[in-house]
Amino acid sequence: NAGVTQTPKFQVLKTGQSMTLQCAQDMNHNSMYWYRQDPGMGLRLIYYSASEGTTDKGEVPNGYNVSRLNKREFSLRLESAAPSQTSVYFCASSGGDTSGRTDTQYFGPGTRLTVL
Amino acid sequence: LAKTTQPISMDSYEGQEVNITCSHNNIATNDYITWYQQFPSQGPRFIIQGYKTKVTNEVASLFIPADRKSSTLSLPRVSLSDTAVYYCLVVPDTGRRALTFGSGTRLQVQP
Repeated sequence: NAGVTQTPKFQVLKTGQSMTLQCAQDMNHNSMYWYRQDPGMGLRLIYYSASEGTTDKGEVPNGYNVSRLNKREFSLRLESAAPSQTSVYFCASSGGDTSGRTDTQYFGPGTRLTVL
Repeated sequence: LAKTTQPISMDSYEGQEVNITCSHNNIATNDYITWYQQFPSQGPRFIIQGYKTKVTNEVASLFIPADRKSSTLSLPRVSLSDTAVYYCLVVPDTGRRALTFGSGTRLQVQP
């Protein structure tokens, strides 16, 4: 099992460019998440998908869109990149049991994005 | 969501026991306490989770007092490879499964 994979690992964009970050998991998890982590900070939730076909905003959704393509894949799109979106982006997945409280999240290796 | 407070950083030496305390005064009755570990340039990794009293696994122990307003992560005999950021989270039982990360505790283990 590869767990959670993310592509690309690194990306440099110019202001105004668009791009899509890809995430896939092979653990048959129901729930998937996108976080961003700025230097020296904790992770902040951008969007999440509790199950296939549903998405919800997190703490910092502005400037991003997501697509839950199928159960395995959850992509994050920046339509018009801004320097404030320079960050490390982590995708995560979890089983999504109904209680939620024992829902361990498994994280990918991250994508380092720089917007000039 | 219950807010957590933990020390910004801690230093230790190899072979010592490290205890990181987290306060969560507003924890709800059905909330669980969860700890994640993050190495540089990697995503966080689940360490341990508990509801009350004590939980132990192969990596760490988690102590939770009766009032559950705080918890202590205990790492026995740390090594250099335990240098990481440790996050204390309260996982709500509200059906919303997303995690709220604070700034964590940066543990530096010296030889």
